[in-house]
Amino acid sequence: KQEVTQIPAALSVPEGENLVLNCSFTDSAIYNLQWFRQDPGKGLTSLLLIQSSQREQTSGRLNASLDKSSGRSTLYIAASQPGDSATYLCAVPLGPMDTGRRALTFGSGTRLQVQP
Amino acid sequence: KAGVTQTPRYLIKTRGQQVTLSCSPISGHRSVSWYQQTPGQGLQFLFEYFSETQRNKGNFPGRFSGRQFSNSRSEMNVSTLELGDSALYLCASSLDPYGNTIYFGEGSWLTVV
Repeated sequence: KQEVTQIPAALSVPEGENLVLNCSFTDSAIYNLQWFRQDPGKGLTSLLLIQSSQREQTSGRLNASLDKSSGRSTLYIAASQPGDSATYLCAVPLGPMDTGRRALTFGSGTRLQVQP
Repeated sequence: KAGVTQTPRYLIKTRGQQVTLSCSPISGHRSVSWYQQTPGQGLQFLFEYFSETQRNKGNFPGRFSGRQFSNSRSEMNVSTLELGDSALYLCASSLDPYGNTIYFGEGSWLTVV
């Protein structure tokens, strides 16, 4: 059974700091990994999708890396801003692509607070 | 381009009642999935539909059911509501189930009293 863990559970940093959020998964036979952002009381916004053949993806100040062999992904946020305050979740498919189990299993998230 | 639309956004129900939640995916998306989010259990997968067929079902009791229509719109139903069903129910859509980016709606907040 795929399990996803995110560390730390919560993080508070001053504005401008670079930071790294961690995600680990138990079954390395994933075909992609996705990072999401969730603002309080809202749905999830997709930030980055990394296919299994990729090592990293970048979007603006965000960079996500994927190391399947070690079962790890990191989300790097450069020059953090108060508007980055939210919960960040990573998710992987429930099973290998050939099993058809493509729904997502989520980590419990990292709650980020960026202080002005 | 309109996003994923979920209705109603907020609702309060009494134990024992049933509830139906609706989800309209992004135009052209044929894959719809549903998730339950609670403070204690986090985000948990409920169902996944593609072209009106349920492809996967999560580990939830039979009180939870869903369906998808020919226009890709989806509904989920919870019968005989329990207090523990209080949660944010999120619908997500993607072009197809084959690993594309998934887009979430704002969710339906269900409170069972």
